[in-house]
Amino acid sequence: DVKVTQSSRYLVKRTGEKVFLECVQDMDHENMFWYRQDPGLGLRLIYFSYDVKMKEKGDIPEGYSVSREKKERFSLILESASTNQTSMYLCASIIEVGTEAFFGQGTRLTVV
Amino acid sequence: GNSVTQMEGPVTLSEEAFLTINCTYTATGYPSLFWYVQYPGEGLQLLLKATKADDKGSNKGFEATYRKETTSFHLEKGSVQVSDSAVYFCALIQGAQKLVFGQGTRLTINP
Repeated sequence: DVKVTQSSRYLVKRTGEKVFLECVQDMDHENMFWYRQDPGLGLRLIYFSYDVKMKEKGDIPEGYSVSREKKERFSLILESASTNQTSMYLCASIIEVGTEAFFGQGTRLTVV
Repeated sequence: GNSVTQMEGPVTLSEEAFLTINCTYTATGYPSLFWYVQYPGEGLQLLLKATKADDKGSNKGFEATYRKETTSFHLEKGSVQVSDSAVYFCALIQGAQKLVFGQGTRLTINP
């Protein structure tokens, strides 16, 4: 079975901190995604990557950056955390277009 | 750009009722369409998919048909159970691997 693992289930950070959310997949997938999930807004795409060292902005990239140094790992970085970045963050990977996306369990981030 | 619109929730039904959750999309060309489900405290998992027009995806008693003429992919189930209570997301992917989701519909089934 494909496994997508996010490093933390729950995280509490202070305003202004630099925050790293890690995501690792074990099936050699090319494509990886970071979303945030907020009530009434569904899943909004922050960044995605279709290859090592490649990244594309999603719909809401402001305040975030990403890193993909190895194929299996896709990191989301909050450069200076703010309270409006309190949310559930979901990582996903797919092997190719048209196939199933596999999701991690999510990281619930609270910025205080 | 591509987008997905789902019927607004929450939806509350009694056990054994018929379920429809509407989903329409906007895209150029022929995207692949998906329904994902999120049970409480869990990540999303694929429920069903369709990759071309007139395809019908089905799983666990749920069905959805890819209708290009109406740009729709409505989710249906003939008789829902309490265990179907979850949040359901319609999604599409096309071209440069950008996977786009609708806003989600929370479904609650009462015994």
